[in-house]
Order: sequence, then C-alpha cells, then structure tokens
Amino acid sequence: GDSVTQMEGPVTLSEEAFLTINCTYTATGYPSLFWYVQYPGEGLQLLLKATKADDKGSNKGFEATYRKETTSFHLEKGSVQVSDSAVYFCALSHGSSNTGKLIFGQGTTLQVKP
Amino acid sequence: EPEVTQTPSHQVTQMGQEVILRCVPISNHLYFYWYRQILGQKVEFLVSFYNNEISEKSEIFDDQFSVERPDGSNFTLKIRSTKLEDSAMYFCASSPGFQRAEAFFGQGTRLTVV
Repeated sequence: GDSVTQMEGPVTLSEEAFLTINCTYTATGYPSLFWYVQYPGEGLQLLLKATKADDKGSNKGFEATYRKETTSFHLEKGSVQVSDSAVYFCALSHGSSNTGKLIFGQGTTLQVKP
Repeated sequence: EPEVTQTPSHQVTQMGQEVILRCVPISNHLYFYWYRQILGQKVEFLVSFYNNEISEKSEIFDDQFSVERPDGSNFTLKIRSTKLEDSAMYFCASSPGFQRAEAFFGQGTRLTVV
C-alpha cells in the first residue's frame, strides 16, 4: 500500500543554518505531496504542496520539489529561525482515491537554537 | 480566516465509557475527516465523510466508532466503549474537494482513557 517515510528526528540546528528534512514515498500512479507543520499546542497546518512531478512547492522560505524518479519530496530552507521549531509531517494524497485521505509520515521534530 | 474548531481540547474518560468528540468544519467545505495520532506514532487516517455518508474508512475504524453530521455544521466522532489503546490525539479536518485540495485541520482533542 501507499506509504511515506521521513528522516528520524529530532533535528537540532542553530539559527540561520540550512535545513533538509528527507521524505520518500511509495505509491502507484501520481499522488499529490504535502508538507504539514505542527507548532507547539496547535493543529496541523499546510506548509506547501506539489501536485505533479517536477513541481516545486514553496512557502515561508521553505521549498520542496516533487521528484518522481527518486520518489522524494525533501523539505529545505536556507536559513532557519527559532520560530521554525515545530514538528514537520510529509504526506501524500493518492490521485486515484475519491476521498482525498492523507497518508502521513511519522513526523520530524525540528528544534532551532538561538 | 476560517478554521476548523474542535472541542474539547482534552478529555479524560474511564475505560468502557462512551465519548463524543466534536468538530465544526469550515462552512463551505464538503469533505470531512477524522485522523488520530497515538503518542510517538504516525498520524493515521480513520474515516472520511461526504454527502452525509462515510466514503472511506480504515481498518482502525471498527464497530466501536461512528461519525455523524447531526445538524449541518457539527461533525462528531463517537467511540462507544473506550479502550486504553484509544488514548490518542484526534484531529478533525475538512476540505473543499478531494482531488489535490488542501485539508484544513483542527487543533485536536487529546483523549486519555484511564
């Protein structure tokens, strides 16, 4: 079945460091791919998405490129801030599903230190 | 900005008791979902709901679970006879469509079964 695998956390970085959180997926066909973020005490918020191969999603300085050849959707940011500390979830929604359900990775905790 | 709201934020219940988790989705959305996250594990899909009926459910969503949209605004998840292993964060989400559309999540209800 469809699945999403993220790199193990926690990831601890200093402010202004470069961030990469790896995400790979297994799915048939052409899923849509998402990154959601959960700040402490809050719900899941969509950070960015990509709906077809080679699309790049971007938001708030974060970006991720849909790579079908490597079945990956790695999240990157050039210079992290303390306020980026959160849990990041990679997810897919299968295009053949008629319900739009999301399949999530296990989440990666990011801690940014000043 | 419209948002999905969930109540209560935290519920403690005794094993074997019934609980109802409540959600108010975004008003013009058509698709509604429940997900859960057991502490330290992935966010898991439970059920999707469209046009006043279940459109898809996971194997987790057994006979002890039910969903309802009783009045056109609320969307509820009922657990008939809670078990210790039902302790988790439960997220409600809604979406305007199912193909490549963003799902908006509530802040979650933390259910603790004792």
